[in-house]
Amino acid sequence: GQQLNQSPQSMFIQEGEDVSMNCTSSSIFNTWLWYKQDPGEGPVLLIALYKAGELTSNGRLTAQFGITRKDSFLNISASIPSDVGIYFCAGFLNTDKLIFGTGTRLQVFP
Amino acid sequence: DAGVTQSPTHLIKTRGQHVTLRCSPISGHKSVSWYQQVLGQGPQFIFQYYEKEERGRGNFPDRFSARQFPNYSSELNVNALLLGDSALYLCASSLADSPTPYYGYTFGSGTRLTVV
Repeated sequence: GQQLNQSPQSMFIQEGEDVSMNCTSSSIFNTWLWYKQDPGEGPVLLIALYKAGELTSNGRLTAQFGITRKDSFLNISASIPSDVGIYFCAGFLNTDKLIFGTGTRLQVFP
Repeated sequence: DAGVTQSPTHLIKTRGQHVTLRCSPISGHKSVSWYQQVLGQGPQFIFQYYEKEERGRGNFPDRFSARQFPNYSSELNVNALLLGDSALYLCASSLADSPTPYYGYTFGSGTRLTVV
């Protein structure tokens, strides 16, 4: 199935460090979303982006919608242990299908 | 308010059997979408239903079917189960059938299906 490419695949960082991950696509998306998924749970929406170039923050999280509409990044500042999980980017293809990225697994060590 | 609820939470089935998974959307949400998440991968779109009509279908075989009821709850049915159908099946509900700043696309916790 179609998926967005995320990098890095996994990250191991120390508590307090900043984190950056990105997502690229060969297709243009009109809406970009960033989700976090904990084990055994469904994805939880972190940030939604609706316009090319848009920069949006949610607490320690900041995400940007690329100008070309084919990429997005997510930054987490001053990481804490509860940031551990899998982060997915996602974009709406047409209006009914949400395409997910391959995921970035984040581990935070105290 | 309750979020998106899915049942059962876990299920074990034998190859060749069929399975029915259920989803209740957030109150007021009229759109329900189904996703399959194989271990280690991102969710893959299966179906979207809005106002009881199928609005979108992903690249899944005809063994997969779904329906939406008048109360907007939904069922996902899978026939002739294969080992490869083992996955977390996620349901998402939203206010409308197209993304807007207020569409509130929200996922449930999923049903873990294991086919043996």
